[in-house]
Amino acid sequence: AQKITQTQPGMFVQEKEAVTLDCTYDTSDPSYGLFWYKQPSSGEMIFLIYQGSYDQQNATEGRYSLNFQKARKSANLVISASQLGDSAMYFCAMRGTGRRALTFGSGTRLQVQP
Amino acid sequence: GAVVSQHPSRVICKSGTSVKIECRSLDFQATTMFWYRQFPKQSLMLMATSNEGSKATYEQGVEKDKFLINHASLTLSTLTVTSAHPEDSSFYICSASMGQGGVETQYFGPGTRLLVL
Repeated sequence: AQKITQTQPGMFVQEKEAVTLDCTYDTSDPSYGLFWYKQPSSGEMIFLIYQGSYDQQNATEGRYSLNFQKARKSANLVISASQLGDSAMYFCAMRGTGRRALTFGSGTRLQVQP
Repeated sequence: GAVVSQHPSRVICKSGTSVKIECRSLDFQATTMFWYRQFPKQSLMLMATSNEGSKATYEQGVEKDKFLINHASLTLSTLTVTSAHPEDSSFYICSASMGQGGVETQYFGPGTRLLVL
C-alpha cells in the first residue's frame, strides 16, 4: 500500500519569499515516482514537477524545486520568489510499481500575502 | 503540451436522473484514463481506471453499476452517474497519462462539478 502525508493544512508566505511544502511518503515499491500538482480555486489540477525514485538529482522546474530525501522518504516542494498567483491548494502524489493511478496526499493550502 | 478536456464543467440535476461526463485527450492518445472524485476540502480519490477497449477497473467501494465507464476510443472516456442522488454531488475529475522522456505523467481535465438536488 502507498501513503502520502502532507502535515501542513495551510501555509502563509509573503510575496517574493520562498516557501517549502512538506510531503512524506510510505511505500514498499522499489521504484516509484513523486509528483506535485497545484489546484487553484477553479479546480483544475496543474502538473508542476516530477521526481523519480532513482533520479540522482533533485528535480527543478523554473521556480519549483523538489527537495528529495530518499532515506527520510520525503519529497518537499520548494517555491522560490512566491507570487500572488501561487495561492492555491498543492497536492503531493505518488505512483508506484505496477499501478498507474496516483495516490494523493491531503493537500496544503498556500496563501501568498502582498 | 498535453491537454485534457472535460464536459460539462458544471451540471445540476434532479435526484434519480443520469448524468454523463466526457473526458477527452485533445492532442495525444490515451489508452488509459483515470476518474477521480473530490469532495469539498478533501483530496482526490481514485474511482476507477478506464481502459480503451476493455472494462474499467474500479476501486474498492465504488459501485460499478452506478458509475458506468466507457472508453470507446483512444481519446474519449465517459463516466455516467446513474440514478444520481444528493450524496453523489461532488467534483469529478479525469486524467490521462502521457509518456515523455521515459516518464509517464498524468494530465488532468478541468473537472466537472455535479450538484444533485
